[in-house]
Amino acid sequence: GNSVTQMEGPVTLSEEAFLTINCTYTATGYPSLFWYVQYPGEGLQLLLKATKADDKGSNKGFEATYRKETTSFHLEKGSVQVSDSAVYFCALSQDSSASKIIFGSGTRLSIRP
Amino acid sequence: GAGVSQSPSNKVTEKGKDVELRCDPISGHTALYWYRQSLGQGLEFLIYFQGNSAPDKSGLPSDRFSAERTGGSVSTLTIQRTQQEDSAVYLCASSLDGPSGGQETQYFGPGTRLLVL
Repeated sequence: GNSVTQMEGPVTLSEEAFLTINCTYTATGYPSLFWYVQYPGEGLQLLLKATKADDKGSNKGFEATYRKETTSFHLEKGSVQVSDSAVYFCALSQDSSASKIIFGSGTRLSIRP
Repeated sequence: GAGVSQSPSNKVTEKGKDVELRCDPISGHTALYWYRQSLGQGLEFLIYFQGNSAPDKSGLPSDRFSAERTGGSVSTLTIQRTQQEDSAVYLCASSLDGPSGGQETQYFGPGTRLLVL
């Protein structure tokens, strides 16, 4: 079945460090891929998405590229800020009749000033 | 509305009691989804509505769980005879359309935190 595997946390970095959170997926066909973020005390928000191979999603300085050959969708940011501290979820959904989102287990990111 | 709203925000109940959780989707969104976020289980899909019908109920964990949607808007998730393992945050999301036209972004509510004692 479809699944998402992401880097386990917690991840702790210093401000301005480079961030990578790895995500790989297993799916039939051509799923859409997402990164969601949950800031402390807030609801889940879509951070970025990509709907086909080689697409790059980007938002708030974060980027992720849909790599079909490696079935990956790694999240990157060149210079993190304290305000990026949150839990990040990689996710997929099929682009056919199944619309549910399948989430990874989440990665907690903490940024030190 | 401005966003997806859910009520109550927190619910504490005793084992064996029934609970109802409510979701108000974004106005005009025809698709509505329920998910559960629990410790050690991550985020799990429960059920999906397109209008008032539920084409995918595959995630409901047992027959104690049911959901309905009326008027293509508000949805309630009911858990009967609650158990301690039902304790979790129950999230609702809505999107403009279902899957037939491609994947629409799902917008999530703040969740209802359920604690079963």
